[in-house]
Amino acid sequence: AQRVTQPEKLLSVFKGAPVELKCNYSYSGSPELFWYVQYSRQRLQLLLRHISRESIKGFTADLNKGETSFHLKKPFAQEEDSAMYYCALSSRGSQGNLIFGKGTKLSVKP
Amino acid sequence: DAGVTQSPTHLIKTRGQQVTLRCSPKSGHDTVSWYQQALGQGPQFIFQYYEEEERQRGNFPDRFSGHQFPNYSSELNVNALLLGDSALYLCASSLVGGLSDTQYFGPGTRLTVL
Repeated sequence: AQRVTQPEKLLSVFKGAPVELKCNYSYSGSPELFWYVQYSRQRLQLLLRHISRESIKGFTADLNKGETSFHLKKPFAQEEDSAMYYCALSSRGSQGNLIFGKGTKLSVKP
Repeated sequence: DAGVTQSPTHLIKTRGQQVTLRCSPKSGHDTVSWYQQALGQGPQFIFQYYEEEERQRGNFPDRFSGHQFPNYSSELNVNALLLGDSALYLCASSLVGGLSDTQYFGPGTRLTVL
């Protein structure tokens, strides 16, 4: 079954601390992995995708096919990073049908 | 560009009724996808429309149907509403064959079924 698992509902860290939001997936085939973010009172938006290999707002994520993981990391958390983060996957080239995890709420304390 | 827009913002219906939700895609986009997000859950894919046809469908009953118009806007219809249909309904648009197939989400329509 195709599934995305985000084991933490809530992650609370202090400003300046490292952050790692966990994401594991189950998929037969070649998936494309994404991280979406939703800031307070804003719409869901793409943060990064594994094929672009970009660092957005200091966040990076590496696809580990052996561990079927796509954890999101940032070395020094900022208060403005507080948001809801969703890991998602789709079949590569499908251009649709995103499968989302349940999300992790990141709270960065001053 | 206002991005993806959805209407209405909120809606309250009773069991058994029918509802229609509307979505206008981002300028230049030709594909619309619909998602249901229940409280505390991630969005769940309902279906996708391209060239006025349903292109992909998730695991949702036939009570959920849609339409795409020549101007690429889309409607989501839900018949015989159940209490469990209460959720945030998200619309996302993208461009098939573009440099990026990134989906851009709208603000959502909050449906409450009493």
